[in-house]
Amino acid sequence: GEDVEQSLFLSVREGDSSVINCTYTDSSSTYLYWYKQEPGAGLQLLTYIFSNMDMKQDQRLTVLLNKKDKHLSLRIADTQTGDSAIYFCAESMGTDKLIFGTGTRLQVFP
Amino acid sequence: GAVVSQHPSWVICKSGTSVKIECRSLDFQATTMFWYRQFPKQSLMLMATSNEGSKATYEQGVEKDKFLINHASLTLSTLTVTSAHPEDSSFYICSARNGVNTEAFFGQGTRLTVV
Repeated sequence: GEDVEQSLFLSVREGDSSVINCTYTDSSSTYLYWYKQEPGAGLQLLTYIFSNMDMKQDQRLTVLLNKKDKHLSLRIADTQTGDSAIYFCAESMGTDKLIFGTGTRLQVFP
Repeated sequence: GAVVSQHPSWVICKSGTSVKIECRSLDFQATTMFWYRQFPKQSLMLMATSNEGSKATYEQGVEKDKFLINHASLTLSTLTVTSAHPEDSSFYICSARNGVNTEAFFGQGTRLTVV
């Protein structure tokens, strides 16, 4: 079956790097995504990676994909207080259906 | 990015009444819209997928007579929670996309509280 797991909580100091991890079980995933959800709001797509890629960098965001271990990570460099939110990873198998992880609440303190 | 608007942002209703939530794509045509439900501190659960002009496809365990979805135009989908009960209280989020393998844009969500 499809299952996507994340650690529930991460706390970092402002200016440090944050690394949010995600594991998934379905090896047929074609795209993997990272979404950000601020309190009481919908989801904002941050970045995505195609399954045949190992890494993708977009400004402060770096996505690493280890397909063998089915492990995805999102690194946020120079974390700011505005980065405090819940981060969801999600996978799709080329269909319309997105399977979301459990979400990681990132708290950034000064 | 494109804008998807949900209305209302929050609603409180009495048990037994029905509530309609609208999801609109403001600057693009949404061939497909998705409805999700999010419980507190939990992930999003896909409820159903709707294509314009077709009946919605519901995920396993989601009652289609309870959660009525209509996608009558390329810019509007509605979710009606019929005969709402307190256990239906949740955060409902829609997303919309134009085409296959394109980015899905999310609405800001609707918090439903049934009292």
